[in-house]
Parts: sequence; structure tokens; C-alpha cells
Amino acid sequence: RKEVEQDPGPFNVPEGATVAFNCTYSNSASQSFFWYRQDCRKEPKLLMSVYSSGNEDGRFTAQLNRASQYISLLIRDSKLSDSATYLCVVDGQNFVFGPGTRLSVLP
Amino acid sequence: DAMVIQNPRYQVTQFGKPVTLSCSQTLNHNVMYWYQQKSSQAPKLLFHYYDKDFNNEADTPDNFQSRRPNTSFCFLDIRSPGLGDAAMYLCATSRTRDSSQETQYFGPGTRLLVL
Repeated sequence: RKEVEQDPGPFNVPEGATVAFNCTYSNSASQSFFWYRQDCRKEPKLLMSVYSSGNEDGRFTAQLNRASQYISLLIRDSKLSDSATYLCVVDGQNFVFGPGTRLSVLP
Repeated sequence: DAMVIQNPRYQVTQFGKPVTLSCSQTLNHNVMYWYQQKSSQAPKLLFHYYDKDFNNEADTPDNFQSRRPNTSFCFLDIRSPGLGDAAMYLCATSRTRDSSQETQYFGPGTRLLVL
């Protein structure tokens, strides 16, 4: 089993749609969790950290379920500029990236 | 202002010809990382420096080496590049490794092509 797994994607959604990404991790000792976004041929950029109580940043909501070892990212009111690959990152001994889920928001 | 800088952005080398990629940071972070990212794959950690302490990942080939002469600079040396080493190489930094929710900041990457 891979350390970090994500929805395989790609997700093609219309503008304004709500889309949710799921991520599971295998290392129960993991302490920190993040969502990064990566545009084509660019570096990953931090989208948001994921806190135990869940957190929201504008249109983005992240949830963590430690018991199920599951992280989610919800994007509301999708914009064209949200098109990117979303990487789930789990920090145990090292940063471990999930394979990413590609999102295309269509006009 | 750029915080993690990588040079060059694109590097072409020949099969077997040593190549060095460079990374510098203005954040004064203690930790610097090198990742390899191949097309449509997740970044894969090669190694990292915590200050001067070098930490190699178990599955990083011997062909890959690194140097950190000071806090600001870190180099990735590929001694004998093979065709399979063509990838994007990402440098990242973090303030420390000791506290939770410590994020990493990435440079723009160097895309390596091996002919």
C-alpha cells in the first residue's frame, strides 16, 4: 500500500461547481498534513495546512480524520484559475506527497 | 521577491556528463531539500540537509550527491546522468524539522534533459 493515496482524477467540472478531493495515508504516526497545488510545469505551492479541527480559507475547506487516516479538500464555487493538480502531503518522518489529483474547471 | 531560487531553470546535459544544479534561499531556513519529479508523478525526496547534517533517502541512487557549503546554498550533483534522470528537480526549504505544521517552500525547479 502506498503511503499517501489520492483520488485518481482527472476531475473536469464546470465553473461554479463544488468539488471534493480525498486523500488517505498509511502512517498513523503522521503529525502534519497539507494541501499543495501545482500548476503545469511549475513548483508546488502551499494551498493550506490541515488542522485537526478542520479549517477553511475562503472557498477552500480542509478536513482531517485521524481515526480513518483521511484528509479531504473541498472547493466551492470553482474558478477557471483553480485548474491545477492538487497534492496531498503528509509529514511523518519526511514530507510524503500523494500522486496528485488533476482538476480542470471548464467555462 | 524570490525566496528559493534555482539555477538554471533548464539544463541540458549529455549521457554520462556530470551536471550540477544549484539552489539558494533568502529565508535563512535551516533545512534544505532536493526532490526529483518526473512527468505526472509526485515529487520524490532525494535527500535533505538539516544545517550541515546530510540525510540521504534509502532509495536515492549513489549517482546523486549533494553539497551545502553554507546556509544559503545547496547543490545537487549528478555524477553520471542517465536518460532516466531526466526530470524536474525541485529544491525546497523549511525553517526546522522539529515542530508540527512546518511547511516547505519550493523553488521554481530545474528541468533537466539528458541527451
